[in-house]
Amino acid sequence: DAGVIQSPRHEVTEMGQEVTLRCKPISGHDYLFWYRQTMMRGLELLIYFNNNVPIDDSGMPEDRFSAKMPNASFSTLKIQPSEPRDSAVYFCASNHDSYGYTFGSGTRLTVV
Amino acid sequence: AQKITQTQPGMFVQEKEAVTLDCTYDTSDPSYGLFWYKQPSSGEMIFLIYQGSYDQQNATEGRYSLNFQKARKSANLVISASQLGDSAMYFCAMREGVGSSASKIIFGSGTRLSIRP
Repeated sequence: DAGVIQSPRHEVTEMGQEVTLRCKPISGHDYLFWYRQTMMRGLELLIYFNNNVPIDDSGMPEDRFSAKMPNASFSTLKIQPSEPRDSAVYFCASNHDSYGYTFGSGTRLTVV
Repeated sequence: AQKITQTQPGMFVQEKEAVTLDCTYDTSDPSYGLFWYKQPSSGEMIFLIYQGSYDQQNATEGRYSLNFQKARKSANLVISASQLGDSAMYFCAMREGVGSSASKIIFGSGTRLSIRP
């Protein structure tokens, strides 16, 4: 079991550019979550999916953010256009039952 | 609405001593789950321990135990015989609902634990 795999680990981009973060959940996990971590706001849930369907996207900050899960083994979080305030660590997590949520290593995004 | 409160921004503890990290929660759902995660300086989120609201006994995992006081809505993490490697951020988290209907978990603000040699 390779765990939840996120890419890239680090991303530096210029303001206004499009950024795509990727996540591969653990095989067999039917829930996938995207979180954002900042010093000011802590860990915030952005969106989560069940069986590839978005269930709750109330945490998505604004229309610049979008997330997709085209199949059970892949999800993307896209920011277009990116802004400096989007700089954060973005975590993906997956889950099968309600007891074990496994997090990826995170993507550290810096928008300059 | 869910709410998780961790009132200790930071703690210093001598190596080999036991440490208690506080967590209180607020929910109107009778079914919920409580989690503790560790985040070392490397940044990954490591699951430590889980307690279900209907569990009769406090959860234990090695040196970690969860002091679950349902009436007080508290779920404190106890680390016995602390080690230098325990220095990290610790997050308390809660999920409403149990069983197969997993839903989102929300996190407290965290406690930074530093172990002194």
